[in-house]
Amino acid sequence: KAGVTQTPRYLIKTRGQQVTLSCSPISGHRSVSWYQQTPGQGLQFLFEYFSETQRNKGNFPGRFSGRQFSNSRSEMNVSTLELGDSALYLCASSDHRTSIVLHSYNEQFFGPGTRLTVL
Amino acid sequence: SQELEQSPQSLIVQEGKNLTINCTSSKTLYGLYWYKQKYGEGLIFLMMLQKGGEEKSHEKITAKLDEKKQQSSLHITASQPSHAGIYLCGASHNAGNNRKLIWGLGTSLAVNP
Repeated sequence: KAGVTQTPRYLIKTRGQQVTLSCSPISGHRSVSWYQQTPGQGLQFLFEYFSETQRNKGNFPGRFSGRQFSNSRSEMNVSTLELGDSALYLCASSDHRTSIVLHSYNEQFFGPGTRLTVL
Repeated sequence: SQELEQSPQSLIVQEGKNLTINCTSSKTLYGLYWYKQKYGEGLIFLMMLQKGGEEKSHEKITAKLDEKKQQSSLHITASQPSHAGIYLCGASHNAGNNRKLIWGLGTSLAVNP
């Protein structure tokens, strides 16, 4: 199976612009989680989607949004970019077989990330 | 302060030496994951621990979960240059929701040949 893919791999934007990042999960995986990674804060959970529905949300402002399509591909959008949004954005997919059970320990498979630089 | 503290922050060892990385939680742990990351890349799954006292091994890497201490340790035996990278622990602090993970800041490991 192909791994998790993320596009683009690198992106440079200026303050105030918006950006859309894309993630294609492993075939058959229905759960996609997004993370922001910075040197100071480490890896921080943004949100998780399962079957086109947001199931979990981290503590990020409303400028950060996401969605998932019927083929499980996911996009995240950041509007009105700020310098502090510069980070590596990682998505991870997992094989959660039910949309109800959140108490499940499943390995997350990570993509290579999109490195966003905001100037 | 971080809810999940990793120590040490960085480590440089000579090839062949053993080493231990710790991950300590400020809250009750419900599942703990260890991942390895090469700089600027995605994370590679190493191990997942669920129950207190659980210990898992893969090749030369062993991880243990001490539920009482709310701590996990990752031990590498006879380190090799291929072990170099950033080791991250992630954990759930919610018994009812194990898909919202908190992460440590990572331990950067360098192995000198």
